[in-house]
Amino acid sequence: GNSVTQMEGPVTLSEEAFLTINCTYTATGYPSLFWYVQYPGEGLQLLLKATKADDKGSNKGFEATYRKETTSFHLEKGSVQVSDSAVYFCALSENDMRFGAGTRLTVKP
Amino acid sequence: DAGITQSPRHKVTETGTPVTLRCHQTENHRYMYWYRQDPGHGLRLIHYSYGVKDTDKGEVSDGYSVSRSKTEDFLLTLESATSSQTSVYFCAISAGGPNSPLHFGNGTRLTVT
Repeated sequence: GNSVTQMEGPVTLSEEAFLTINCTYTATGYPSLFWYVQYPGEGLQLLLKATKADDKGSNKGFEATYRKETTSFHLEKGSVQVSDSAVYFCALSENDMRFGAGTRLTVKP
Repeated sequence: DAGITQSPRHKVTETGTPVTLRCHQTENHRYMYWYRQDPGHGLRLIHYSYGVKDTDKGEVSDGYSVSRSKTEDFLLTLESATSSQTSVYFCAISAGGPNSPLHFGNGTRLTVT
């Protein structure tokens, strides 16, 4: 069945550092791919999405490119801020939404 | 926030008791979902609904039932709570089908003692 694997955390970075969170997927067809973010005590919020191969999703300085050849959808940001501290989830959707285990990011001043 | 309200926000209950969690939306979205969140597992789908009285099972549906008698309300029932059902439960909605983004409520933390 469909599944998502993302890098284990926690990830700790200094402010203004470059961020990469790896995500790879297994799917039988052509899923849509998503990144969600969860702040403490809240539900998940959509961060960005891509619906087909080579699409790039972007939002709030975060980017991810749908790579069919490597079945990947890595999340990147050029310069993280303290306010980016949260848990990040990669997800795919074909018949239903499947989530990775989540990666906790802490950004220190 | 998309208009999603989950109640209660916190609940402690004893093993063997029935528990009902409520999700209420004001967006008139067709699709509603119940997920559970556990460390190391991300979110796993319990049940979903694609319309009033139309529901289906997700990947971890054993021990849970759902009902949707109105567009705006989706209830999750644990028939006889067990300690393995201690979790954070999230309701989500979407306007479109499976490939549409989900909008989440703030969750219900359930502890079964």
